[in-house]
Amino acid sequence: KAGVTQTPRYLIKTRGQQVTLSCSPISGHRSVSWYQQTPGQGLQFLFEYFSETQRNKGNFPGRFSGRQFSNSRSEMNVSTLELGDSALYLCASGVSGANVLTFGAGSRLTVL
Amino acid sequence: GQQLNQSPQSMFIQEGEDVSMNCTSSSIFNTWLWYKQDPGEGPVLLIALYKAGELTSNGRLTAQFGITRKDSFLNISASIPSDVGIYFCAGQSYNQGGKLIFGQGTELSVKP
Repeated sequence: KAGVTQTPRYLIKTRGQQVTLSCSPISGHRSVSWYQQTPGQGLQFLFEYFSETQRNKGNFPGRFSGRQFSNSRSEMNVSTLELGDSALYLCASGVSGANVLTFGAGSRLTVL
Repeated sequence: GQQLNQSPQSMFIQEGEDVSMNCTSSSIFNTWLWYKQDPGEGPVLLIALYKAGELTSNGRLTAQFGITRKDSFLNISASIPSDVGIYFCAGQSYNQGGKLIFGQGTELSVKP
């Protein structure tokens, strides 16, 4: 059974650019959550999607957005990148959300 | 962002020793989870706890859901070199879906 797949694994962007990250959940999982991991703030919840609807949102600015497609795949977008957006972005999937989450390996974003 | 209080932050132990780490929260959680993260990878679930007072084992790992629902601990017995990594606790509430609140992590180093 394939795990949670995140692409790309690594990327480098410059300030002001935007980035789109992709997440393919485990087959049958309808909930996809996104987390930001930094050395200073640790793991912080960004948002959760379930059946193409955003069900929960963390305390991040509007530059961070996401969406989920009918096949449960999800994307997150960060616009007008800032240096502080450099982080490991983790996607996690679950059967319904109120359940244990399985994480992907993450997309490491570096903003120069 | 909201975080759980996890301690200790780091541990340096000899192979064969037992390890204990814990998490406390000001909020009640319905589920406590323990994850391990290796460098360059996403967190991997070790143990999930669903009921106050529950004590669960997974091989050499044992975790307990505190009776007040505001704390949890993880014990590792007879540590081995492959136990090296960062251990995270996470709390989950039923009404918060896929949103996990994470501790800051405990970095474990094991000396052969």
